[in-house]
Amino acid sequence: AQKVTQAQTEISVVEKEDVTLDCVYETRDTTYYLFWYKQPPSGELVFLIRRNSFDEQNEISGRYSWNFQKSTSSFNFTITASQVVDSAVYFCALSFPTSGTYKYIFGTGTRLKVLA
Amino acid sequence: DAGVIQSPRHEVTEMGQEVTLRCKPISGHNSLFWYRQTMMRGLELLIYFNNNVPIDDSGMPEDRFSAKMPNASFSTLKIQPSEPRDSAVYFCASSSRDKRNTGELFFGEGSRLTVL
Repeated sequence: AQKVTQAQTEISVVEKEDVTLDCVYETRDTTYYLFWYKQPPSGELVFLIRRNSFDEQNEISGRYSWNFQKSTSSFNFTITASQVVDSAVYFCALSFPTSGTYKYIFGTGTRLKVLA
Repeated sequence: DAGVIQSPRHEVTEMGQEVTLRCKPISGHNSLFWYRQTMMRGLELLIYFNNNVPIDDSGMPEDRFSAKMPNASFSTLKIQPSEPRDSAVYFCASSSRDKRNTGELFFGEGSRLTVL
């Protein structure tokens, strides 16, 4: 069965520290997609990144970077030089084909607290 | 472009009352998802539709929950009768999909339900 595991429930760091959020997924599908979403205290869910299963190239966007490794079924997210505004709950998600469409399942989220 | 629109944003009701949550997906998106978010369970997928057809409702917790999508621009999630344990934030999300790939989920701002 498909599954997304975010083992870190909560992480606290001091501003300017680097922090990595872990995501491990399970699926037997060869085609699938991985996502990260951010949920700030205001409650909305904000899309950060999408990767497909055939593209293991790591990606960097400003202070954000993502490390996709199929060998370990992981899709980890690193924030460099964290800022207070990065404080949020971060969700990793997996999308896989089923019944002619795609289903999206989410991990339980990691709450990141960045202290000034 | 308008995003996913949900209403009401907040609903407070008494146990036993009927609750109807509404969602307007992004125009052109062919998949619609209903999620429930609680502290205990995180983001749970309740049901999803593809081209207005319900694909998988295995996440619907009980028969008290029902969802419809009468056309491509509107969906409802109904709880009848409501119970205090249904208190949660309910998110609607939509995505587009073609034969080659699937897009990210775009979420509405959520409907916060409190059942007294």
